[in-house]
Amino acid sequence: GQQLNQSPQSMFIQEGEDVSMNCTSSSIFNTWLWYKQEPGEGPVLLIALYKAGELTSNGRLTAQFGITRKDSFLNISASIPSDVGIYFCAALNYQLIWGAGTKLIIKP
Amino acid sequence: NAGVTQTPKFRVLKTGQSMTLLCAQDMNHEYMYWYRQDPGMGLRLIHYSVGEGTTAKGEVPDGYNVSRLKKQNFLLGLESAAPSQTSVYFCVSGTGGRNEQFFGPGTRLTVL
Repeated sequence: GQQLNQSPQSMFIQEGEDVSMNCTSSSIFNTWLWYKQEPGEGPVLLIALYKAGELTSNGRLTAQFGITRKDSFLNISASIPSDVGIYFCAALNYQLIWGAGTKLIIKP
Repeated sequence: NAGVTQTPKFRVLKTGQSMTLLCAQDMNHEYMYWYRQDPGMGLRLIHYSVGEGTTAKGEVPDGYNVSRLKKQNFLLGLESAAPSQTSVYFCVSGTGGRNEQFFGPGTRLTVL
């Protein structure tokens, strides 16, 4: 079946660093979504992408819908402590498929 | 506007017991979903509904049943709980068109 490969699984970064994570698949999708989940909460939608090549920003977050429609990336610039959490990608054809998540940890 | 609400927030069951997880949304969304989240496995779809009175199986439906008698409510039932059903359960509602999905706060279920 369809799968999303999300990487990295986890990241240890210093405050102020830029962060990059991505999702890839062998299948083509029409929509890519990026979510963030904080401990004890449900995932919250960060960015939605609907067209191949689309680049969308939400504050310090930028996400792109890959031109092949098989991948997407999320960048976070100048990370701050409240960025910690698990980031999920999700992609849609006739159903929504989820990546396994990228856990972001900020080194003290 | 409460969004998506779930009850209960936590529950401990013994093997073989039954229970129903309740979900309500006030956004008039047609689409509602139940996911389970397990460490290292991401989110897996249990059942979903594309409108009042309709339900369909997702990726991992065995051991669960659902009902959507009213548009705003989506119930998830466990008839005979098993330890493998220990998980965090999320109810989600969405617009269908652009499929942005809005999550409830989750129910943490432990089956002993």
